[in-house]
Amino acid sequence: NAGVTQTPKFRILKIGQSMTLQCTQDMNHNYMYWYRQDPGMGLKLIYYSVGAGITDKGEVPNGYNVSRSTTEDFPLRLELAAPSQTSVYFCASTGFVTGRSPLHFGNGTRLTVT
Amino acid sequence: AQKITQTQPGMFVQEKEAVTLDCTYDTSDQSYGLFWYKQPSSGEMIFLIYQGSYDEQNATEGRYSLNFQKARKSANLVISASQLGDSAMYFCAMREIGGSEKLVFGKGMKLTVNP
Repeated sequence: NAGVTQTPKFRILKIGQSMTLQCTQDMNHNYMYWYRQDPGMGLKLIYYSVGAGITDKGEVPNGYNVSRSTTEDFPLRLELAAPSQTSVYFCASTGFVTGRSPLHFGNGTRLTVT
Repeated sequence: AQKITQTQPGMFVQEKEAVTLDCTYDTSDQSYGLFWYKQPSSGEMIFLIYQGSYDEQNATEGRYSLNFQKARKSANLVISASQLGDSAMYFCAMREIGGSEKLVFGKGMKLTVNP
C-alpha cells in the first residue's frame, strides 16, 4: 500500500520562484492536511480539506494556495517563494468522520528558499 | 480557537524507567480527540495513542498510556519501561470533531533515553 505520497522529497528554490508540492493518497480519505515544520518546532497547519472541492485555511496560510479537485490529490502551491518558507512540509490524510482515526503522514518535502 | 501547549522543551530518562510527557489543551468544543505522535530523528510521524473526549477510560496502547484529566484539560502521555528507541520528539495534537475538523499540534518536546 502506498498510503500518502509526497513529491518531491527535496527542493531548492530561489526567492520569487514558484512551485507545487504534490500530495496523493490511495486510501480514499476525505480529510487531507498540509503542515509545515520549521527546525526544532512543531507542525503548523497551512491548509486542509474535508472533501473534494472544499478547502479551508489553517494557522499559517499566507503565501500558499491549495486545490482539491479529486479525493486523491491535494497539491500545495507556493507562488512567490520567500526565505521564511524554508521548512519541511508534510501532507496527511484521514478517513473517518469520528475523531478516532489518526492521520496518515507522507514522508515530507524538505524545501529550501535562498 | 483550539490550542495545544507542551511546555517541557526536553526530558532525560534512564532506560527502563517510566516517563510522563505533559500536554494541556484548550477548546470550546465538547467533542474532540487527542493524539500523541512520535517523530524520531529520521523525520517520519508515528501515531502512538488516541483519547476521545467522551471516552470514560484512559487510553492504553502497549507501553503507552494516556493520563486524561478532562476538567484540567490535560492529556499527559506516560511511557512505561523506556527504551533507547523511545528517544525522539513527541507531539500532542487535538482535533475538534464535527466542527472545523482541524488537527492542531503542540510545539513538541524532545525525550532522550539514556542507557
